[in-house]
Amino acid sequence: DIQMTQSPSSVSASVGDRVTFTCRASQGISNWLAWYQQKPRRAPKLLIYATSTLQGGVPSRFSGSRSGTDFNLTISSLQPEDVATYYCQQANSFPATFGPGTEVHIK
Amino acid sequence: QVQLQQWGAGLLKPSETLSLTCAVYGGSFSDYYWTWIRQSPGKGLEWIGEINHSGSTNSSPSLKGRITISADTSKSQFSLKLTSVTAADTAVYYCTRGGSSYYRYYFDHWGQGTLVTVSS
Repeated sequence: DIQMTQSPSSVSASVGDRVTFTCRASQGISNWLAWYQQKPRRAPKLLIYATSTLQGGVPSRFSGSRSGTDFNLTISSLQPEDVATYYCQQANSFPATFGPGTEVHIK
Repeated sequence: QVQLQQWGAGLLKPSETLSLTCAVYGGSFSDYYWTWIRQSPGKGLEWIGEINHSGSTNSSPSLKGRITISADTSKSQFSLKLTSVTAADTAVYYCTRGGSSYYRYYFDHWGQGTLVTVSS
């Protein structure tokens, strides 16, 4: 199975800050990567797929990119409702696998 | 508006069979992959298995031999059965919709989740 790692495990930032966190796969996955947002006691929500394509209805402050083997999720201006855990997931090969998540907190 | 609603027993004893069903409301049942994912504190989010409208299934090698995924297309429902459960199967189980074909591993709709606890 492809192993997914994420860093940092937790980030604390102020409202309005630009926040970026990273995901890496143990093998090449091309651009087959998704990002999910999970709020407490809720199911994960698909934010971005194919590395950088925004799912319908997701605010434009969220964006995804790739730099070499690193995949990044950026929140351009952090909002209070963005407090959540963010997971990356590879969609390149069977079985789909998820990273351990990055928790986002407001300072 | 696509909605997934799931149900099933939440408390099991070791060696019993986990059984969950997910109903799909809105949208087409035949164009997508229907997937089960579970989440536990120890293992995080874990893809369990999938089924498509023609009944073709795939499941996690780690659960091989214990898992059955089936679908009733007339009701737009799909189900999960996991036999011989242990405490390691304790998790929140989600039903999800994967995309069609190459996008099957992008999960854009999720059920509300069912906490399944295995305890004697």
